[in-house]
Amino acid sequence: EIVLTQSPATLSLSPGERATLSCRASQSVSSYLAWYQQKPGQAPRLLIYDASNRATGIPGRFSGSGSGTDFTLTISSLEPEDFAVYYCQQRSNWDTWTFGQGTKVEIK
Amino acid sequence: EVQLLESGGGLVQPGGSLRLSCAASGFTFSTYAMGWVRQAPGKGLEWVSGIRDSGTTTTYADSVRGRITISRDNSKNTLYLQMNTLRVEDTAVYYCAKEPQYCTRNNCFFDFWGQGTLVTVSS
Repeated sequence: EIVLTQSPATLSLSPGERATLSCRASQSVSSYLAWYQQKPGQAPRLLIYDASNRATGIPGRFSGSGSGTDFTLTISSLEPEDFAVYYCQQRSNWDTWTFGQGTKVEIK
Repeated sequence: EVQLLESGGGLVQPGGSLRLSCAASGFTFSTYAMGWVRQAPGKGLEWVSGIRDSGTTTTYADSVRGRITISRDNSKNTLYLQMNTLRVEDTAVYYCAKEPQYCTRNNCFFDFWGQGTLVTVSS
């Protein structure tokens, strides 16, 4: 089973700053990685799929990169509504879905 | 607009059963694979189960296999999760989620999620 490890666990930043979140896979997942945002009391929302494709309606300040085992989600300039928890995710062999443990982006 | 509305959560004793429903609208339900993802209080996301568009193929996480059954009624645009022999550790918010059509064996994600329904297993 592929394990996804996210770092850091918590990122303390101010509005306007750049956020860089990491997701590392225990083995290669090619470019098959998605990122989600979850705010308190809300369902997750798809941000990025296939490592670098923004989902419909996602602002351009969100970008994803990486392939193989190392992936990055970047928020170029944090808006107040971006403070949330972010998860990476991948699927293998039809029935093995894995989520990272999450990175919380909090206001400094 | 895609909408997924879960219902059926509540308080149940250990060993009990519960059936969750997810009413879908805004898309052609019968042509999309669907899944359930849960989130224990204060914890991360855990995939629970999935079902292909026709309903003929189902998949389960090891943690629930044998106790949970996923199904769908395409005539009613509704997804179900029958949960039996519930354990305290099944306590979570259960989300219904939709897969996009272009998923493959090793590449898939959920493009839309419902708001979730809380299942609490406690005596």
